[in-house]
Amino acid sequence: QVQLMESGGGVVQPGGSLRLSCTASGFTFSNYGMEWVRQARGKGLEWVAFIRYDGSNKYYTDSVKGRFTISRDNSKNTLYLQMDSLRTEDTAVYYCVKTIRGVNDALDMWGQGTMVTVSS
Amino acid sequence: DIVMTQSPDSLAVSLGERATINCKSSQSIFYSSNNKNYLAWYQQKPGQPPKLLIDWASTRKSGVPDRFSGSGSGTDFTLTISSLQAEDVAFYYCQQYYNTPITFGQGTRLDIK
Repeated sequence: QVQLMESGGGVVQPGGSLRLSCTASGFTFSNYGMEWVRQARGKGLEWVAFIRYDGSNKYYTDSVKGRFTISRDNSKNTLYLQMDSLRTEDTAVYYCVKTIRGVNDALDMWGQGTMVTVSS
Repeated sequence: DIVMTQSPDSLAVSLGERATINCKSSQSIFYSSNNKNYLAWYQQKPGQPPKLLIDWASTRKSGVPDRFSGSGSGTDFTLTISSLQAEDVAFYYCQQYYNTPITFGQGTRLDIK
């Protein structure tokens, strides 16, 4: 079945780095745009980044521009989020999400999420 | 950025009664060239990731019960649950995917009265 499995979350100090991974299965990963969406505890959903099916286009929310990098390896069916210069406000559950097609489409499959805690 | 504002923040409805959640965008998310509103609704139950219910403002996704419906156009949208069931207790979010940054409403908590 269609599945997205995130990994790589954990506790990191402010200013530190973390790389999240998301392994996809059950669909042709290389055909779809992918996103990261985060949710702080008890808060709403916040879109973080998008990457086109072939990796050629990437978009970010302003608060992570220059600090986070979204990438993908279609040969490994894996999506990544490299997070540098982490701040306490980056603390959240990070969801790996599949778009129906591209950035101008809804999000039809979500992973279970991985928790990132930025704290000293 | 397009700001999405939901109302109310929370509501409680009796079982079998109608629940209505509103979502307003700060600018039109209707694209005239394809006659589509770039609006989706998601349901999130405690401890679970969100689930897509409706896209293009009114297209119910496969497997979603027909008591869920979406309506509206331009800047004003509505999610209606025609007859509330116990399993519908959840948070509901609207989302615009008209342009980046993609933005969500703040969420509406739906409970049983």
